Amino acid sequence: DTGVSQNPRHKITKRGQNVTFRCDPISEHNRLYWYRQTLGQGPEFLTYFQNEAQLEKSRLLSDRFSAERPKGSFSTLEIQRTEQGDSAMYLCASSLAAEYSANYGYTFGSGTRLTVV
Amino acid sequence: AQKVTQAQTEISVVEKEDVTLDCVYETRDTTYYLFWYKQPPSGELVFLIRRNSFDEQNEISGRYSWNFQKSTSSFNFTITASQVVDSAVYFCALSEGYNFNKFYFGSGTKLNVKP
Repeated sequence: DTGVSQNPRHKITKRGQNVTFRCDPISEHNRLYWYRQTLGQGPEFLTYFQNEAQLEKSRLLSDRFSAERPKGSFSTLEIQRTEQGDSAMYLCASSLAAEYSANYGYTFGSGTRLTVV
Repeated sequence: AQKVTQAQTEISVVEKEDVTLDCVYETRDTTYYLFWYKQPPSGELVFLIRRNSFDEQNEISGRYSWNFQKSTSSFNFTITASQVVDSAVYFCALSEGYNFNKFYFGSGTKLNVKP
């Protein structure tokens, strides 16, 4: 297993366009998380899936943001009508059940860097 | 209110020096977990160490050690005999309860280790 994979690594888009990012977690991990990291800051929680169910969403996740994990495997994060404030690194992470997280935390991907011009 | 505070924005040391990264956290939960992650320029956050709220015993793992003190809500991380490859941004993170639904990260400390 090669870890958590995120595509694309970089995305430049014009303001107002829609973008979609993909995350492929470690295959046996049933939990998947999305975080956003702006320059000089730590990651901020966006949303969390257990299998295909989206169990928690941050208030940071406005109506323009939607995340899916249709078959409990890969996940997509879509941003509609992008704004310059959406420019950030979007990180995906995965883990097993709580006991795994207690010992190993999450496994993060390398992120998708979004630049809105 | 910020749940995790890393007051040191950037630290520079010379190779082989010891360096301590500070972390102060805030939570009302009695059960919580604290983590340190390393973020090299490639961007991927790498898990380093973790500690739960019930175990205040400090530990050493190779060149890493940590000092967890509930009385001061601090979870400091020390790298002994630093190396150039340790240069990265280090994040302290808090997970409340036992669900691990979300982590609260500090703003990070950038460590520069010079040869």
